[in-house]
Amino acid sequence: DIQMTQSPSTLSASVGDRVTITCRASHSISSWLAWYQQKPGKAPKLLIYKASSLESGVPSRFSGSGSGTEFTLTISSLQPDDFATYYCQQYTTYSPITFGQGTRLETK
Amino acid sequence: QVQLVQSGAEVKKPGASVKVSCKASGYTFTNHYIHWVRQAPGQGLEWMGWIKPNSGDTNYAQKFQGRVAMTRDPSINTAFLELSGLRSDDTAVYYCARQKNIVVLPTAMGWFDPWGQGTLVTVSS
Repeated sequence: DIQMTQSPSTLSASVGDRVTITCRASHSISSWLAWYQQKPGKAPKLLIYKASSLESGVPSRFSGSGSGTEFTLTISSLQPDDFATYYCQQYTTYSPITFGQGTRLETK
Repeated sequence: QVQLVQSGAEVKKPGASVKVSCKASGYTFTNHYIHWVRQAPGQGLEWMGWIKPNSGDTNYAQKFQGRVAMTRDPSINTAFLELSGLRSDDTAVYYCARQKNIVVLPTAMGWFDPWGQGTLVTVSS
């Protein structure tokens, strides 16, 4: 199975900060990666697909990049609504679908 | 709007089975794969498998092989997840999710949107 490793596990930041979360795959997944945001007690919400495509309705301060084994999710200017947990997901057919362990974004 | 609505919370004893439903609306049910993902308390997301609603074809994660069954009823736009032989570590919120892309490539499945609201399954004696 392809393992997905996110870093950091917890990130402390302030409103207005630029933040970056990294996701590394144990094998190349081309650009077959999605990012989700999850708030407590809620289902995950799609942010990014195909590594860098912004889902409709998602604010443009969110962006994704990368290919192969290393990917990043960037929030250009953190807003109060962005404090949540973020997950990456790979969806190649060479492996069962797997998620990163999550990155909790908290207020500094 | 596109929506997945799941059945309510369940409490089961160890060894029992549970069946969770996921009713789709706002789109053509048979056009999109449905995936099931679970989340144990305070933990991350774990993919369980998918069902292709137009054919009923399934693909299960190896961890759940032999005790999971994903079915669907296209007449009522509903997918089902049944998990048997429940253990305490099956206590989790179970989500269904629509695979948003219809076209599946030989190299990739797809991304999930939307997700159901989740169904808490508690396994306790």
